[in-house]
Amino acid sequence: DAMVIQNPRYQVTQFGKPVTLSCSQTLNHNVMYWYQQKSSQAPKLLFHYYDKDFNNEADTPDNFQSRRPNTSFCFLDIRSPGLGDAAMYLCATSRDGRGHQETQYFGPGTRLLVL
Amino acid sequence: GENVEQHPSTLSVQEGDSAVIKCTYSDSASNYFPWYKQELGKRPQLIIDIRSNVGEKKDQRIAVTLNKTAKHFSLHITETQPEDSAVYFCAASPSGTYKYIFGTGTRLKVLA
Repeated sequence: DAMVIQNPRYQVTQFGKPVTLSCSQTLNHNVMYWYQQKSSQAPKLLFHYYDKDFNNEADTPDNFQSRRPNTSFCFLDIRSPGLGDAAMYLCATSRDGRGHQETQYFGPGTRLLVL
Repeated sequence: GENVEQHPSTLSVQEGDSAVIKCTYSDSASNYFPWYKQELGKRPQLIIDIRSNVGEKKDQRIAVTLNKTAKHFSLHITETQPEDSAVYFCAASPSGTYKYIFGTGTRLKVLA
């Protein structure tokens, strides 16, 4: 019954070693999001896609990139992880409400540890 | 762009009492306001939402009120229970975007 799936749930990487986090959805939603959440803080939007239309937040570091090869999958690539990139990464989806916002569904998150 | 402020940052209440969390937003174009509950180590879960054409919405012990003129909205939890203990986030979504701007969160502790 999982609707938004993230793999892996826990990821350990070394300082500077590229890492890719994945997200898939069974909801057929148009919009997919990547958030970074650090301890006790609000989720911070990194990117979102409307279909294949990519939207980058102005303060998202260049170190972070994203790909959405099809409706169901979205990837977050961290090219050279630093210690400050250790966080929970949340994927979310929402449906195109044809002019109004719809409920956002979150995946379980991937906790990234950088050694 | 939109900015959402949330207060208080922490809130402790006795079991059975009510809890109120308040948020203010800056963009008058925002027209959708969800509230999320996040337990430690888990994903944010939507608990209630409200659209700008409605002033109040209630779901059992949870209610949300919206004052568009003052640009603020509040979460009300009545008859609190220990399982209500979590971090609560408000969010606002401006019309014409698919973005959700989150408040800074409120850590609610319900004391048994």
